[in-house]
Amino acid sequence: DAMVIQNPRYQVTQFGKPVTLSCSQTLNHNVMYWYQQKSSQAPKLLFHYYDKDFNNEADTPDNFQSRRPNTSFCFLDIRSPGLGDAAMYLCATSRELGGLSSYNEQFFGPGTRLTVL
Amino acid sequence: DQQVKQNSPSLSVQEGRISILNCDYTNSMFDYFLWYKKYPAEGPTFLISISSIKDKNEDGRFTVFLNKSAKHLSLHIVPSQPGDSAVYFCAAGTNAGKSTFGDGTTLTVKP
Repeated sequence: DAMVIQNPRYQVTQFGKPVTLSCSQTLNHNVMYWYQQKSSQAPKLLFHYYDKDFNNEADTPDNFQSRRPNTSFCFLDIRSPGLGDAAMYLCATSRELGGLSSYNEQFFGPGTRLTVL
Repeated sequence: DQQVKQNSPSLSVQEGRISILNCDYTNSMFDYFLWYKKYPAEGPTFLISISSIKDKNEDGRFTVFLNKSAKHLSLHIVPSQPGDSAVYFCAAGTNAGKSTFGDGTTLTVKP
C-alpha cells in the first residue's frame, strides 16, 4: 500500500542533544510537509518542500532544519532541542500545492512523539 | 491570529443521531476546505473536501456545507456510528499555497 512512513514512532532525547526524525513516502508526491502538534492544538506547519524547493514558515525557529535528499525521503533536524520542543511531529505529503482541491489533500504519517528530558 | 477556528473542543452524540461539527474562518481568499479525521496514535486522514465555488459536497454519511457569506462550514455525519469517534480537523487553503488547520473537535459517539 502506498503510504507515508515515519521513524521512529517515539523518540527520547536530552536537552540540547541534536535529534533527527525521518519520513518516507511511496506516493511519489511532489510536496512534503513537516508539522509540529502539541496537545489539543492545530498542527503547526514548520516547512514544506515542493520537489527540492524548500519553504520555511516565517515563525519556524532556526533550531529546526530540514533535508529532502530525494523524492521519497525527508528529514527533520532539531539542532538543540529544548523542553518546549516536546511534541508530536507529523510528516505529510500532497500531490501538488494549490490548484484543484483534490490535489491539496494531504496524506499524513503516524507521527513521531518527541520527548525531551 | 488564527485563521481557522473550531470553537467546540468536544461534541458528544448518541449512535444513530446526527453529528454536526463547525468551523469558522477569517480569510475570504481561501479556495478550498477539507476535513480530516484523527484516531489516537495515528496521523490525520482525509475525509472530505469542498471547493469555494460549491456550497455542499456529499460522500456517503458525510456532508460538508459551506456558507461563504458567513465564512462558516460544517460537517454533518448521519447516522453517527461509534467508529466515528475521533478528533476532526477543519483545514482551509488557497490555490497558491498550503492548508491552515483548526484546533480540532473531539467527537464521541455513544452506543
